[in-house]
Amino acid sequence: AQTVTQSQPEMSVQEAETVTLSCTYDTSESDYYLFWYKQPPSRQMILVIRQEAYKQQNATENRFSVNFQKAAKSFSLKISDSQLGDAAMYFCAYRSGVEYGNKLVFGAGTILRVKS
Amino acid sequence: EADIYQTPRYLVIGTGKKITLECSQTMGHDKMYWYQQDPGMELHLIHYSYGVNSTEKGDLSSESTVSRIRTEHFPLTLESARPSHTSQYLCASSESGAGPEQFFGPGTRLTVL
Repeated sequence: AQTVTQSQPEMSVQEAETVTLSCTYDTSESDYYLFWYKQPPSRQMILVIRQEAYKQQNATENRFSVNFQKAAKSFSLKISDSQLGDAAMYFCAYRSGVEYGNKLVFGAGTILRVKS
Repeated sequence: EADIYQTPRYLVIGTGKKITLECSQTMGHDKMYWYQQDPGMELHLIHYSYGVNSTEKGDLSSESTVSRIRTEHFPLTLESARPSHTSQYLCASSESGAGPEQFFGPGTRLTVL
């Protein structure tokens, strides 16, 4: 079974600075997807960024980018120019590439605090 | 507007009551999911459905049941609520085929006294 590990329960960053959230995963599959989801306090969970395992290029979405190291099974999220609105719980998630395996496996989450 | 809805958002109920948590989506997605999340913790899949009349149990054992009579509707029922059921329940949906993203509802925070 696949597992996802987020080793940082909590992180802090100064507004406008850069922060990196860590995620490692374990799988024997070669075809899969990785995601970072953001869950603000008492608000809806939304997708931040996703990465297809077959793509070597790291995904980027505006201020959010990933460092995908397939051999090391590492998938970190970098947030540049941090804003107060980035404060949330961030979850790393894994999804098998097999059609009927469309279930997400989540890590334990990292609370990100942004200081003004 | 295409979205996913959950009602109620908050529910406080006594032990032994039967409850149904509603989830509806207007995106035409075939796949729907229920996750359980304790405060500050990860999400665990408790039920999922690949389409009408298709339901499966997830990775985390749950005493709840689900049904999928209509594509857009995926309610979760607890026949007899207990304090151990206190948690947040999140509903999600996704397309079939190559679209792997799951869209989440706002969640229902359930407290059983």
